[in-house]
Order: sequence, then structure tokens, then C-alpha cells
Amino acid sequence: DIQLTQSPSFLSASVGDRVTITCRASQGISSYLAWYQQKPGKAPKLLIYAASTLQSGVPSRFSGSGSGTEFTLTISSLQPEDFATYYCQQLNSYPLFTFGPGTKVDIK
Amino acid sequence: EVQLVESGGGLVQPGRSLRLSCAASGFTFDDYAMHWVRQAPGKGLEWVSGISWNSGSIGYADSVKGRFTISRDNAKNSLYLQMNSLRAEDMALYYCAKCQVFELKGAFDIWGQGTMVTVSS
Repeated sequence: DIQLTQSPSFLSASVGDRVTITCRASQGISSYLAWYQQKPGKAPKLLIYAASTLQSGVPSRFSGSGSGTEFTLTISSLQPEDFATYYCQQLNSYPLFTFGPGTKVDIK
Repeated sequence: EVQLVESGGGLVQPGRSLRLSCAASGFTFDDYAMHWVRQAPGKGLEWVSGISWNSGSIGYADSVKGRFTISRDNAKNSLYLQMNSLRAEDMALYYCAKCQVFELKGAFDIWGQGTMVTVSS
């Protein structure tokens, strides 16, 4: 089974900061990776799919990159509404569409 | 408006069964694969099961294989999850999620608000 790790698991940042979250897969998954944002008490929201494609309606300050085993989610200028938990998900290893453990972004 | 509404959660004793439903609206249901994802209290997301547009491809997480059954009724725009032999570790908020494509290998672009399953004696 493909395992995903995320780093850091927690980060404290300020409004306006550039934030980068890394997701690593235990084996190559090509570009079959998605990123989600989840706020407390809410359902997850798709941000990025196919590793780097921005979902419709998602602000352009979010971007994704990577392929194979290492991927990054970058928020170019953190906004107050971006404080949340972020999950990566691999979609290559059918039928086990594993999620990463999550990265919580908190206010410094 | 594109919407997914889950129902059927509740309190159930270990070993018993429960059937979750997800009602879809605002999109052509039978054009897309659908999935169930769960989240235990204070924990991360866990993919549970997925079903392709025509039920031809179905997958389960190892943790539920042999106990849970996913199905869909395209005429009723509905997705289901039959959960048997429930365990304490199945206690979670269960989300229904729409896939971007008709087969299973696509990101989940629409999510419901979830239905809570509590397993306790």
C-alpha cells in the first residue's frame, strides 16, 4: 500500500507569510495527487488536483507542484481564511485512495 | 445548486448494522463516480469506499472490506453504504463525496456535510 507523509504536521504562521507544505509518497504516484483544505466543523474542500491544477473558484495564491514521490502545496500570501488543516490524497493506487495525516496551519 | 446530503447515521451497538444514504442534486449523478470518506473525532480523513458511475468498479479500504457494501441507485440519484458488524473503530463522521470523473481515479470535488456514526454499547 502507498503511504503518504506530510511535513510539517503543524505550522504557525502570520497573515502575509508564504507557506509551503510537503507531501511524500512511499512510492511513485505520477501526478495523481490532490490537496484539500478543511476548517473546523466543515467538510473538506478540494484545492488542487493532478498535483498542480487549481480547482475552479480557488484563489490563485494556492499552488501545487511535484510528481513521483514529492509534492508541495504553497500559499503565496497567507490570508485569515486560510487557517485550516490541509490534507494530500493519492489517487494512483486503485482502489486505496489514501489521505496524508494532515498539516494544521495556525495563527502565530 | 450542487449538493450532497447524507443521512442514516446514529447510535448503534457493536456488531449491529447501519445503512447510510447520500442524496445528490444539482448535477448528473450517473456521470460520476462516488465515494465515502470517514473522519473519527479529532482525527484525519480515511477513504472508505468508492463506486464508479455504473457500479462496474468498486473498491474498499482494508479496514472495512467484507463488512461494508457500497451501492448506488442512479434512478434515485442516491449513494448508499451498508455497514455490518460495526466496531468501535468505525465510529466517525461519514462523508459522501463526488468524484470529478466517471471512474474511481479522480479527485473529490463535492462533499456532503457528513452523518455521524456512533458505535457503543
